[in-house]
Amino acid sequence: ETGVTQSPTHLIKTRGQQVTLRCSSQSGHNTVSWYQQALGQGPQFIFQYYREEENGRGNFPPRFSGLQFPNYSSELNVNALELDDSALYLCASSLDWQETQYFGPGTRLLVL
Amino acid sequence: DQQVKQNSPSLSVQEGRISILNCDYTNSMFDYFLWYKKYPAEGPTFLISISSIKDKNEDGRFTVFLNKSAKHLSLHIVPSQPGDSAVYFCAASAPGETSGSRLTFGEGTQLTVNP
Repeated sequence: ETGVTQSPTHLIKTRGQQVTLRCSSQSGHNTVSWYQQALGQGPQFIFQYYREEENGRGNFPPRFSGLQFPNYSSELNVNALELDDSALYLCASSLDWQETQYFGPGTRLLVL
Repeated sequence: DQQVKQNSPSLSVQEGRISILNCDYTNSMFDYFLWYKKYPAEGPTFLISISSIKDKNEDGRFTVFLNKSAKHLSLHIVPSQPGDSAVYFCAASAPGETSGSRLTFGEGTQLTVNP
């Protein structure tokens, strides 16, 4: 059984650019959640997608947006990148929206 | 407002001894709690969870204790092994709230188990 995968593993962008991060959920899982982890902190909830619909959102500005596809994979898009967006972005999938979340390895984003 | 706090940034124990990691929370709506372990360059790995209707849950070497009146939970690892060296995150959830089943994480505790 394949676990949660994310791409790319590392990314360098400049301020003002846009970025798209991708996540493939674990087989059979219909829910994907995205988190941002800054250095030395715990992950912060960005949003959750359940059966292709947004199912909750954390305190992130609208320039953070997402999608979930019919196969339950997901994208996180960030527009107008700022230096503070530099972080590890984690995707987690779960069997259903209230079930245990299993994390992928993350995408390390550096904004210069 | 830090709703989940892990007050010890680091903990060092000898192999074979008990490791106790602590976590406090402030939001009384939390009713499900989890512990994750994270190695460098990897995502968090789920370890063990507990529902608020229980006060203890055990899985092999790992036991989680929940004290609802004190809003405190702890993770016990017995016996500790060098491979347990990692950052441990406590997380809490209030399933059913309108904002989805978001996890609120603590800042993490770096556990080092010395051979």
